Amino acid sequence: GQNIDQPTEMTATEGAIVQINCTYQTSGFNGLFWYQQHAGEAPTFLSYNVLDGLEEKGRFSSFLSRSKGYSYLLLKELQMKDSASYLCARLSTGYQKVTFGIGTKLQVIP
Amino acid sequence: EAGVAQSPRYKIIEKRQSVAFWCNPISGHATLYWYQQILGQGPKLLIQFQNNGVVDDSQLPKDRFSAERLKGVDSTLKIQPAKLEDSAVYLCASSPDRFNEQYFGPGTRLTVT
Repeated sequence: GQNIDQPTEMTATEGAIVQINCTYQTSGFNGLFWYQQHAGEAPTFLSYNVLDGLEEKGRFSSFLSRSKGYSYLLLKELQMKDSASYLCARLSTGYQKVTFGIGTKLQVIP
Repeated sequence: EAGVAQSPRYKIIEKRQSVAFWCNPISGHATLYWYQQILGQGPKLLIQFQNNGVVDDSQLPKDRFSAERLKGVDSTLKIQPAKLEDSAVYLCASSPDRFNEQYFGPGTRLTVT
């Protein structure tokens, strides 16, 4: 497989900052997506990183290190509605296949 | 712009029966994906189309699953015969091309009894 690893569960407090990590196989790597999925709903796109560095988009930021096979999603000023699963997805070269990780279930508590 | 449409939203069948799912992608999107998502797991790619050609179907159980995308627009996924382990949500997604973000439909929740 594509060896995508991310924690299965995390808990954070409303108003705080949380970082969700994702590691992946570097060979044949072409880009990294993050998706948000609320319970019982379809995934929605959050970010896409292809170059090293940090991409900021409002309260959400995503970081990529191609050489280390590492990415993280940073959520600031957590809100209760951020409780969801966060899926890391790897884009491969060649046929541009996207492989999803198992997802990190984030629970935001008051 | 209209999103990805899927039907039915829910389906309950007995094992060994057949079932078909339909997907209409966003207009103009060349790439269409079918995923299987079992509860507590990430989506697993079953098949990927580029226009009306198959790009990847390496994880499609071809002895029971089939999919087609006629005219490069909407698509159907069929299971025949169904097994208990096919109980899952079947997600359809589309993207302008293989390099872009995917837009997901609401999914079809299949229960096999």
